[in-house]
Amino acid sequence: AQSVAQPEDQVNVAEGNPLTVKCTYSVSGNPYLFWYVQYPNRGLQFLLKYITGDNLVKGSYGFEAEFNKSQTSFHLKKPSALVSDSALYFCAVREATGRRALTFGSGTRLQVQP
Amino acid sequence: EAGVVQSPRYKIIEKKQPVAFWCNPISGHNTLYWYLQNLGQGPELLIRYENEEAVDDSQLPKDRFSAERLKGVDSTLKIQPAELGDSAVYLCASSLGPSGLNEQFFGPGTRLTVL
Repeated sequence: AQSVAQPEDQVNVAEGNPLTVKCTYSVSGNPYLFWYVQYPNRGLQFLLKYITGDNLVKGSYGFEAEFNKSQTSFHLKKPSALVSDSALYFCAVREATGRRALTFGSGTRLQVQP
Repeated sequence: EAGVVQSPRYKIIEKKQPVAFWCNPISGHNTLYWYLQNLGQGPELLIRYENEEAVDDSQLPKDRFSAERLKGVDSTLKIQPAELGDSAVYLCASSLGPSGLNEQFFGPGTRLTVL
């Protein structure tokens, strides 16, 4: 069975500082990995995905994530945080074969302080 | 381009009553998903449609939940009868293609409160 862990319920960072939101996963075989963001009173929005290829994936709003197979991680990063980045972030995984369903983590709330 | 539309946005009902949620996906998206999101948790897939066919309903509690997508466009999710534990946000999403690798576009959700 596939699973995702987001070990931090909340991450606090000062505006202008780099941010990291952690994600580890467990799948049988190769993973497909995704990050989504949820702003208050709005639906989840896609940020980026890793399917294959370069381990460093660039996405929307200046975010990027690095796929690390040996550590089974897919941490979300941004070099310089903005107050407007404050939101709920979800990591999701899908196995390359088998059931075509995403399994989402429990989410990490990012709070960027001015 | 209009996004995924869901209605109602909020619903409060007494336990044992029926309730229905409606979703209109983005035009041209043949894959439609219904998710359940409990407070403090990530979305959990209930059912996935490819056009009008339910291709993954393994997590749908079929004793009380049902869904349909008769013409392969909009969809309805129903609960009958509702239980206290059904209080949650019900999300609808859509995507292009059946691979499950395409970006999913989510609606704002329907927040259900069962009293």
